[in-house]
Amino acid sequence: DGGITQSPKYLFRKEGQNVTLSCEQNLNHDAMYWYRQDPGQGLRLIYYSQIVNDFQKGDIAEGYSVSREKKESFPLTVTSAQKNPTAFYLCASSGSGLATYEQYFGPGTRLTVT
Amino acid sequence: SQKIEQNSEALNIQEGKTATLTCNYTNYSPAYLQWYRQDPGRGPVFLLLIRENEKEKRKERLKVTFDTTLKQSLFHITASQPADSATYLCALDILTGGGNKLTFGTGTQLKVEL
Repeated sequence: DGGITQSPKYLFRKEGQNVTLSCEQNLNHDAMYWYRQDPGQGLRLIYYSQIVNDFQKGDIAEGYSVSREKKESFPLTVTSAQKNPTAFYLCASSGSGLATYEQYFGPGTRLTVT
Repeated sequence: SQKIEQNSEALNIQEGKTATLTCNYTNYSPAYLQWYRQDPGRGPVFLLLIRENEKEKRKERLKVTFDTTLKQSLFHITASQPADSATYLCALDILTGGGNKLTFGTGTQLKVEL
């Protein structure tokens, strides 16, 4: 089955700890994205990557870091510098190029920091 | 400032009627506009994409219009069913040259009642 997976589905951390969210895709997509969604809010872009070993900041990158060492994987680290880390995190992938492409989303990870 | 607005209040309609959802934007000139469906606790699913030079796009019971003069897209679901109940998100693709970067609205919650 082709798709995009995120793990874990629920994650609990203490304040001050860094935490890494996993995102894997087997759709052979070049582009991958991380979004954050808060209750009653739309999706806000954290980071995106158009190709391996390259990524760009989105609209709310502060307090987050990413890596793109493999085409299939785009992990997101929520650092202790992120002031309000509790949220629903969504990873997506798509084709890449001059045209637009639909994005395929994973099931999400709900992070709670106390 | 740039803004994407969708009906903030939930839309309740009766089964069999046509649901119409609105997406308005300011200070953007999107090349494409996409619509997604999101169920509670899950990632969004792509529905339809429309280009700036297209007035209308259809897929089964779904229809999207795109008026770049009014800066508005309308999303219609005909013969609505309770299974259509979900949150619907519009997303603009500005094509910044950095790739397929979408900016999402906050979504409209649709409830189809028997």
